[in-house]
Amino acid sequence: DTAVSQTPKYLVTQMGNDKSIKCEQNLGHDTMYWYKQDSKKFLKIMFSYNNKELIINETVPNRFSPKSPDKAHLNLHINSLELGDSAVYFCASSPGQAFDGYTFGSGTRLTVV
Amino acid sequence: DAKTTQPPSMDCAEGRAANLPCNHSTISGNEYVYWYRQIHSQGPQYIIHGLKNNETNEMASLIITEDRKSSTLILPHATLRDTAVYYCIVRRSGSRLTFGEGTQLTVNP
Repeated sequence: DTAVSQTPKYLVTQMGNDKSIKCEQNLGHDTMYWYKQDSKKFLKIMFSYNNKELIINETVPNRFSPKSPDKAHLNLHINSLELGDSAVYFCASSPGQAFDGYTFGSGTRLTVV
Repeated sequence: DAKTTQPPSMDCAEGRAANLPCNHSTISGNEYVYWYRQIHSQGPQYIIHGLKNNETNEMASLIITEDRKSSTLILPHATLRDTAVYYCIVRRSGSRLTFGEGTQLTVNP
């Protein structure tokens, strides 16, 4: 029973397209995140939502728009995809309490051609 | 959150203990030491965390020096499946999880 699940696992698309990545967690956690891991393997936080409210928004192009319909879901929509958006995107969740160990999804590998 | 320093890579023989060091000399009193690992092509996985006492769970042990300026993650009997990048992260409870470059641990047969 997957705790944090992302779909799709792989996504290949052309420049200029719009795409979405979905994330769902069944852990009952209050906080969800999107991280980006580029070709140099650096993991960087992009967004964080707590109970459907945006609490972290790093310096990310506004072509990236997270949406949280409820606290168990955090989707990432990307408009006008560029070559530099190619990366692995990880969703994560945490209880948002004193000990907040993060649970990560298995990642979505996005390739823009 | 305090900055950490880890060696870029380490090797370990299968079945032996893997000791991964981490320096965090600027750690403050309310910051925890967390360890995560990322096996190739998978999402990061929580291993263990501690404040000042040594900690042990089914995956690993965490030894934190008395002055808290450094720590060591110990995998007591490393297996090939422990080959991964290991991240030492220092953070206050509730603050964001920020990853550095980590240590690539390679367990050799």
